[in-house]
Amino acid sequence: AQSVTQLDSQVPVFEEAPVELRCNYSSSVSVYLFWYVQYPNQGLQLLLKYLSGSTLVESINGFEAEFNKSQTSFHLRKPSVHISDTAEYFCAVSPHNTDKLIFGTGTRLQVFP
Amino acid sequence: ETGVTQSPTHLIKTRGQQVTLRCSSQSGHNTVSWYQQALGQGPQFIFQYYREEENGRGNFPPRFSGLQFPNYSSELNVNALELDDSALYLCASSSRDIPAQETQYFGPGTRLLVL
Repeated sequence: AQSVTQLDSQVPVFEEAPVELRCNYSSSVSVYLFWYVQYPNQGLQLLLKYLSGSTLVESINGFEAEFNKSQTSFHLRKPSVHISDTAEYFCAVSPHNTDKLIFGTGTRLQVFP
Repeated sequence: ETGVTQSPTHLIKTRGQQVTLRCSSQSGHNTVSWYQQALGQGPQFIFQYYREEENGRGNFPPRFSGLQFPNYSSELNVNALELDDSALYLCASSSRDIPAQETQYFGPGTRLLVL
């Protein structure tokens, strides 16, 4: 079985400050890793994903995440956040032999001016 | 390219009733997955349909059922609604025919309230 832990339910931060949203997972099989973002009253949008290759993956809007197999982590980082980054962020894993996504409980990023 | 669409956007039902939610997959996708997102929680996998056949199911009772049509659109049916079924229901489409883990693209969801 797989599980995803997002330790921080809420992360308040000031605009232009750096941020890290933590994600740890547990799985007995190899998994793919994802970060999705959910803006208020909307569905989920893919932010970035790790399938294979370089362990550092980047999104088009400045977020990056690094897959750390030994620590079973996939933390999301951004060096300088904007007000528009305020949203709920979900980490998810998908076992290699399925297309099922297992989500964490989410981290609410609140960016203040 | 048309994205994933869901209907209706909102729905109010009473306990014991039945509900049908609809999803149109993204152009070129043949797989649809359904998720339930309760308030303040992450989405939970309900089931997946690939080429009109159920292809995996999460920990949901049989009163949650689904269909996938030849055009790859899908329905989620819930019978004997309970208060705890109140949630945002998300549909995601992908394509299993491409030999790599395919990204799931989500629709905006249907918000169901059971009174």
